[in-house]
Amino acid sequence: GAVVSQHPSWVICKSGTSVKIECRSLDFQATTMFWYRQFPKQSLMLMATSNEGSKATYEQGVEKDKFLINHASLTLSTLTVTSAHPEDSSFYICSVWDSDTEAFFGQGTRLTVV
Amino acid sequence: KQEVTQIPAALSVPEGENLVLNCSFTDSAIYNLQWFRQDPGKGLTSLLLIQSSQREQTSGRLNASLDKSSGRSTLYIAASQPGDSATYLCAFTGNQFYFGTGTSLTVIP
Repeated sequence: GAVVSQHPSWVICKSGTSVKIECRSLDFQATTMFWYRQFPKQSLMLMATSNEGSKATYEQGVEKDKFLINHASLTLSTLTVTSAHPEDSSFYICSVWDSDTEAFFGQGTRLTVV
Repeated sequence: KQEVTQIPAALSVPEGENLVLNCSFTDSAIYNLQWFRQDPGKGLTSLLLIQSSQREQTSGRLNASLDKSSGRSTLYIAASQPGDSATYLCAFTGNQFYFGTGTSLTVIP
């Protein structure tokens, strides 16, 4: 199966700053990657679908100007939380689907905005 | 819209017991079913994948089944161990990935 690496594992930032989270598919060329957000004791919520070489597709209610996604290569997608605020504090996880439509996830990034 | 429900939401069992986690869905037009494990503060680890043409999969002490006609999937864990303590999520692939609400499992030594 695919190996997905996310960086950083955790980050603390000040309100108003921007934070970039990287998602790398180490052994699989992923034309599509998915970004999720997870609140404590809740399931995963799909934020957006990242498409290599084109614009991301955002789910309803997710601000595209707030959560910038760039998928510049087949192995890297980035999520930038712009002008972060405490309500953006959450657990962010990326995933890829391999050729069997089996999903593999990164280890997640814990974002805390203070 | 696909709705995925997992029952129970939480489960606590003594070590050594066999247990069953349940997952139900509303739309039978699914492709694949996948069971995941999530440890606190961590990402998701894929446990089992059942493709749409299959009915069950087994890996070690884990067995997952899929019944599209009844809209149900079960994850059977044999001889549970404290290391099995985690949250278990089921997810279906339709036109996107639909996650269940999760079952938090605690295995007591």
